[in-house]
Amino acid sequence: GAVVSQHPSWVICKSGTSVKIECRSLDFQATTMFWYRQFPKQSLMLMATSNEGSKATYEQGVEKDKFLINHASLTLSTLTVTSAHPEDSSFYICSARDPGRDQETQYFGPGTRLLVL
Amino acid sequence: KQEVTQIPAALSVPEGENLVLNCSFTDSAIYNLQWFRQDPGKGLTSLLLIQSSQREQTSGRLNASLDKSSGRSTLYIAASQPGDSATYLCAVPSGGYNKLIFGAGTRLAVHP
Repeated sequence: GAVVSQHPSWVICKSGTSVKIECRSLDFQATTMFWYRQFPKQSLMLMATSNEGSKATYEQGVEKDKFLINHASLTLSTLTVTSAHPEDSSFYICSARDPGRDQETQYFGPGTRLLVL
Repeated sequence: KQEVTQIPAALSVPEGENLVLNCSFTDSAIYNLQWFRQDPGKGLTSLLLIQSSQREQTSGRLNASLDKSSGRSTLYIAASQPGDSATYLCAVPSGGYNKLIFGAGTRLAVHP
């Protein structure tokens, strides 16, 4: 139980294009999902908290107009990197909480590797 | 501001050794501490979660301890195997349960 998937697993795009990453909770409903970014050999940094049916909460220094988050259903959150640039190349990981199980544990997706040329 | 540090950054050992990975955090007012495993290019797998009221948690060959007052946790891996090779991350929640603060990880390589 508590499986989180991400799609795509990797994507290569040209500079200036937009890329959408999906995060799905497969066997539970997630009112809250989280988006992290991980640069090579660095740790995960929380970008934003995605709340179903409301606006996402962004961490300091994360541009909300560049990283658009939509959490339209209890099982799906999307992260759109708009006008991507090479410095946006990173590993993006989402996580979700299963409120029916516990309020503390976050279950992580497999990640999406983005390369912007 | 909570900061999490992990030592060592990398470790290479022969199969069969017992290992200790260290994690320290600056703000001892934590709800819990969690240890994760990350394989190259993959997401995170939760290994152990220790509540702030607990001293340790065990799962198979893994044992994690927590000393909240000193801001430290250790992950003990017994009888290491090549399949244990991965990066091990510790994390603590900050400002409630939402924001997890991660350490930079310890990259472990266990060779046959």
